[in-house]
Amino acid sequence: DVVLTQTPPTLSATIGQSVSISCRSSQSLLHSNGNTYLNWLLQRPGQPPQLLIYLVSRLESGVPNRFSGSGSGTDFTLKISGVEAEDLGVYYCVQSTHAPFTFGSGTKLEIK
Amino acid sequence: EVQLVESGGGLVQPGRSLKLSCAASGFTFSNYYMAWVRQAPTKGLEWVAYISTGGGSTYYRDSVKGRFTISRDNAKSTLYLQMDSLRSEDTATYYCTTGLPRYWGQGVMVTVSS
Repeated sequence: DVVLTQTPPTLSATIGQSVSISCRSSQSLLHSNGNTYLNWLLQRPGQPPQLLIYLVSRLESGVPNRFSGSGSGTDFTLKISGVEAEDLGVYYCVQSTHAPFTFGSGTKLEIK
Repeated sequence: EVQLVESGGGLVQPGRSLKLSCAASGFTFSNYYMAWVRQAPTKGLEWVAYISTGGGSTYYRDSVKGRFTISRDNAKSTLYLQMDSLRSEDTATYYCTTGLPRYWGQGVMVTVSS
């Protein structure tokens, strides 16, 4: 199975600070069809996850543009440019290039 | 408005069965791969099972193979998860989601305990 390693496991940020989360895959997530099925989710406390970014860098409808995704192959990054209070929660990367689909272990974002 | 509404959870003894349902609305259900994802208390997310648009292809994580069965009824826009021979380690909140995890239900709690 593909292993997704997220770092850091926890992140503490002040309002307005920019932060990045890394997601490294144990194998390339480039599908034979040319797409890279690496997505980012946010799970706020007590809520189901919500999709933020899909196909590495495409912003889901309704998601603020302070969120951005980048990367290729095995290395991916989620960046929040100017953290807001509502951004607290756990961020997960998830791949659906290779079966079985797998999640990263999560990065908990705390607001100082 | 897109909605995924899970039902069927609860407290069940080890070795018993439970069937979860997920009623979908607001999108063309038959066009989407569907999946069940679970989250044990204070833990991360893990895929349990997913099913292709027509139901002809399914995937199960190793720990539930032979015990869980995912199915769908496109005419009713409903996803199911039949869970047999339940174990304490199956205790979790179960979410219904689309294959590209765009839409999520609120989740349903399953507790396996004697």
